[in-house]
Amino acid sequence: SAVISQKPSRDICQRGTSLTIQCQVDSQVTMMFWYRQQPGQSLTLIATANQGSEATYESGFVIDKFPISRPNLTFSTLTVSNMSPEDSSIYLCSVEAGTGKTDTQYFGPGTRLTVL
Amino acid sequence: GESVGLHLPTLSVQEGDNSIINCAYSNSASDYFIWYKQESGKGPQFIIDIRSNMDKRQGQRVTVLLNKTVKHLSLQIAATQPGDSAVYFCAENRAGGTSYGKLTFGQGTILTVHP
Repeated sequence: SAVISQKPSRDICQRGTSLTIQCQVDSQVTMMFWYRQQPGQSLTLIATANQGSEATYESGFVIDKFPISRPNLTFSTLTVSNMSPEDSSIYLCSVEAGTGKTDTQYFGPGTRLTVL
Repeated sequence: GESVGLHLPTLSVQEGDNSIINCAYSNSASDYFIWYKQESGKGPQFIIDIRSNMDKRQGQRVTVLLNKTVKHLSLQIAATQPGDSAVYFCAENRAGGTSYGKLTFGQGTILTVHP
């Protein structure tokens, strides 16, 4: 497995501002992903963070709203831009890691965002 | 569209009983399935996975069953303990093409274990 940390663990922000969330992994991984979990709901994939190239966004998510950086194989950031109360969610990064025979996804602890 | 869903949103059991959490998936191209446990205030924790070339896989106190004919997945927890109380999610991963590595999650089942 992989040990994943996220910063900040939680934040309360004013509408119209932006927040950058960091994800750090303890080993080099090829695949990193960002998910959103709205209150009381399941997880929805926002985008795949590609090292050295632009992120690949899922339907309903755009780069202007959720810019992502992936400068190396152990680190990624997700920015939630021009926030509104609807952006209040848990944001989770995940990585694919494994023995080579079976690669599965492991999740960070999440960043709990409240937008006022 | 493609989706993974759960039959039961909540499940309450007595400590020591066995628990069964069910999941239906709609994408017949999915070939890899994972169960996650999410405790309050934490990220999802990997429990067990299964590939489509298997119909059963066992771990410590947990068993995952896969029925590809009816596109159904279940998680069995033996001798359920209060520490098992959490939300359980199934997730599917369709290999190949542009979907590789992406997980589609079910809605989640809240498991409550009463002492």
